[in-house]
Amino acid sequence: NAGVTQTPKFQVLKTGQSMTLQCAQDMNHNSMYWYRQDPGMGLRLIYYSASEGTTDKGEVPNGYNVSRLNKREFSLRLESAAPSQTSVYFCASTRPSEAFFGQGTRLTVV
Amino acid sequence: AQSVSQHNHHVILSEAASLELGCNYSYGGTVNLFWYVQYPGQHLQLLLKYFSGDPLVKGIKGFEAEFIKSKFSFNLRKPSVQWSDTAEYFCAVNAWDTGFQKLVFGTGTRLLVSP
Repeated sequence: NAGVTQTPKFQVLKTGQSMTLQCAQDMNHNSMYWYRQDPGMGLRLIYYSASEGTTDKGEVPNGYNVSRLNKREFSLRLESAAPSQTSVYFCASTRPSEAFFGQGTRLTVV
Repeated sequence: AQSVSQHNHHVILSEAASLELGCNYSYGGTVNLFWYVQYPGQHLQLLLKYFSGDPLVKGIKGFEAEFIKSKFSFNLRKPSVQWSDTAEYFCAVNAWDTGFQKLVFGTGTRLLVSP
């Protein structure tokens, strides 16, 4: 049982480059989330998805897009990376009693 | 929309000292409350959770939290901390918002326990 799997674990991008962070869960959860974690700011919600085919903006959606193509997978895309997007990104899926997190992606934009 | 406040950003304690980390939330409806811990270099792990019933909740590693509805608080406690408790602690609220449960985190408290 893998839980929530995120790829890649580390990434360095140049300003203006694009990339997609992948997330997959094998727990048959409806709800999935993308957060970014920055020092002193906790986890801030970027986007979330209540179910397959639906997505909604969180607190800090600017500069990101998401896709929930099926129940298992929820990807986060940076179309044109900026240094302000340097952060650690976490994907999560939830059932009512608990959230399960991926290992995180440490992204640096130079 | 719900929000979560953690007032202590950094806490430094000696081993065997008692710990209390504050957490307040704002939301008028029914909430589920959580404390997560993040050890250095790792992802978040669930410490404990409150859904209903006894407002004093016991979690792993000797942690407990008390839900005080009138104060909108869910403070984390441990009677005697260990060096291995050095980590960042996050309070989180899971509330129904426009029919969908949304998990919102506080800004975290970084705990350093000195041996």
